[in-house]
Amino acid sequence: TQLLEQSPQFLSIQEGENLTVYCNSSSVFSSLQWYRQEPGEGPVLLVTVVTGGEVKKLKRLTFQFGDARKDSSLHITAAQPGDTGLYLCAGRGGAQKLVFGQGTRLTINP
Amino acid sequence: DVKVTQSSRYLVKRTGEKVFLECVQDMDHENMFWYRQDPGLGLRLIYFSYDVKMKEKGDIPEGYSVSREKKERFSLILESASTNQTSMYLCASSPPGTVDGYTFGSGTRLTVV
Repeated sequence: TQLLEQSPQFLSIQEGENLTVYCNSSSVFSSLQWYRQEPGEGPVLLVTVVTGGEVKKLKRLTFQFGDARKDSSLHITAAQPGDTGLYLCAGRGGAQKLVFGQGTRLTINP
Repeated sequence: DVKVTQSSRYLVKRTGEKVFLECVQDMDHENMFWYRQDPGLGLRLIYFSYDVKMKEKGDIPEGYSVSREKKERFSLILESASTNQTSMYLCASSPPGTVDGYTFGSGTRLTVV
């Protein structure tokens, strides 16, 4: 069974600070995705990374896929209250279904 | 712009009732999924379907069944609801392939009393 471990599970920081969320596994994934979920809504896809070592940027968010395609990180620069939410990583092994991490609940305080 | 629609945002049902959760997508996606989301446990896959009338068990199928008679609709059925099925239920769809992400519905928060 493929598992994804996210850390930290909870993170509360002040507006303007930087942060990194990690997503780790002992399994290799063909691709990895990051989603953000706001209260009362379903997760929304932020990015997909496919190639080992790949880095993608989405405004102040930087996503990296590990060289061995077993881990990923999400870095937010100068966090804003609008970044508050639950961040989920999800990996795709060989089949078409995703394996999700437990999520990181991020709170940005004004 | 709504693409995956779940029929109810909130439901309260009694123990032993048969419960139907409906999900409709308008993107002509082949793949559809049902997850439940519980604090600290993340999203756990209940059932999924790659095509009409096809279904496969996910990680926690016990106590649930599904129906997919039409491509756009995927229903989750709780045969006899129990209190441990109180949860947020999320439906998702995706096109075939291994790169595309899922599009989720807004979820149904089910409480079984």
